[in-house]
Amino acid sequence: AQKVTQAQTEISVVEKEDVTLDCVYETRDTTYYLFWYKQPPSGELVFLIRRNSFDEQNEISGRYSWNFQKSTSSFNFTITASQVVDSAVYFCAPGAAGNKLTFGGGTRVLVKP
Amino acid sequence: DADVTQTPRNRITKTGKRIMLECSQTKGHDRMYWYRQDPGLGLRLIYYSFDVKDINKGEISDGYSVSRQAQAKFSLSLESAIPNQTALYFCATSGAGEETQYFGPGTRLLVL
Repeated sequence: AQKVTQAQTEISVVEKEDVTLDCVYETRDTTYYLFWYKQPPSGELVFLIRRNSFDEQNEISGRYSWNFQKSTSSFNFTITASQVVDSAVYFCAPGAAGNKLTFGGGTRVLVKP
Repeated sequence: DADVTQTPRNRITKTGKRIMLECSQTKGHDRMYWYRQDPGLGLRLIYYSFDVKDINKGEISDGYSVSRQAQAKFSLSLESAIPNQTALYFCATSGAGEETQYFGPGTRLLVL
């Protein structure tokens, strides 16, 4: 079974500050995927990024970037120059074989103007 | 139009009643999932289906049943609702080999 730890329950920042969300996972799968989802106050779940376990290259997509370290089982997510619209709960979720996702408890991000 | 739809969006029911939550998708995906989210927590998998003839239990299937009526439709039933099934329920879909799951808007269920 997989396990996900998002140690930060809530982060509060002022607009334009960077925000880094931590995620540590446990898995026995040798090949897996890692996801970040966003849940804004309206409640829907929005897919943000996906990373394959066999590709540790870190990337940037717009204001989002991520740092995947397989050796430490961490998959951290950064929002650069945060905006009020980034206020949401963010979930880290590793995917086992067959797409079954295990969600962390989420980190609530509050971006103040 | 949304790719993954859920009906109803909100439902209030009483203990002991049978209710059905429906999910439809136009993404052409083979795989469909039902999750529940309790306040302040992440999602937990209830059931999943990789095709019309395939149904699998997830982490918390007790008290629930599902039906995959067609590739595009996956329903979740609570045979006899109880208050601790009050939660936000999400349907999701993914394509075989694509791995990314796309979620519906959710159904808020309150069991009195």
